[in-house]
Amino acid sequence: GAGVSQSPSNKVTEKGKDVELRCDPISGHTALYWYRQSLGQGLEFLIYFQGNSAPDKSGLPSDRFSAERTGGSVSTLTIQRTQQEDSAVYLCASSYRKNIQYFGAGTRLSVL
Amino acid sequence: AQSVTQPDIHITVSEGASLELRCNYSYGATPYLFWYVQSPGQGLQLLLKYFSGDTLVQGIKGFEAEFKRSQSSFNLRKPSVHWSDAAEYFCAVGGTSYDKVIFGPGTSLSVIP
Repeated sequence: GAGVSQSPSNKVTEKGKDVELRCDPISGHTALYWYRQSLGQGLEFLIYFQGNSAPDKSGLPSDRFSAERTGGSVSTLTIQRTQQEDSAVYLCASSYRKNIQYFGAGTRLSVL
Repeated sequence: AQSVTQPDIHITVSEGASLELRCNYSYGATPYLFWYVQSPGQGLQLLLKYFSGDTLVQGIKGFEAEFKRSQSSFNLRKPSVHWSDAAEYFCAVGGTSYDKVIFGPGTSLSVIP
């Protein structure tokens, strides 16, 4: 497909379990962003990858959160030992130029 | 520090009425400015952008926005709102192509038929 793809679209997990969220950016896009959107809230920046540069991890809320981007393409956001406050929609976006971001539909994470 | 404020959390307008959503930003250099729209259960879609030049920019779906440097504002307008415009609207600011973009908290728009 031509757009940003995120999987799974929905994830229900139990407190304390680890989860992995995947993002397939648009081919050729050098920048990739992860955001968190809690119910009725705005976008909370998590992490930003740009080309081969070191990622900007300044938005990760705790050391339970990590992300990697393999081969400059697919990215995985991992949340370890999930907590109920991690429940949110996790959005991924990719960008090629001038920070015009193209967003995926998101992964809705529910921690029971 | 970079920041974006959207003073209106929620706005309700009647269909056919005009609309203005406010956005103020704080940025140390000439900003790149964006408006995105998010329909329920969807990701964000770019409505319009400002990089340089003409301070009145046109976007999709009949929206426009005006960059006012003196007021640090980038307000979004539409002359006649349609019921399908009901959504969440986010203003965002960025710098060079390799700076991360900062989003405002969003304004929720409801449209009365």
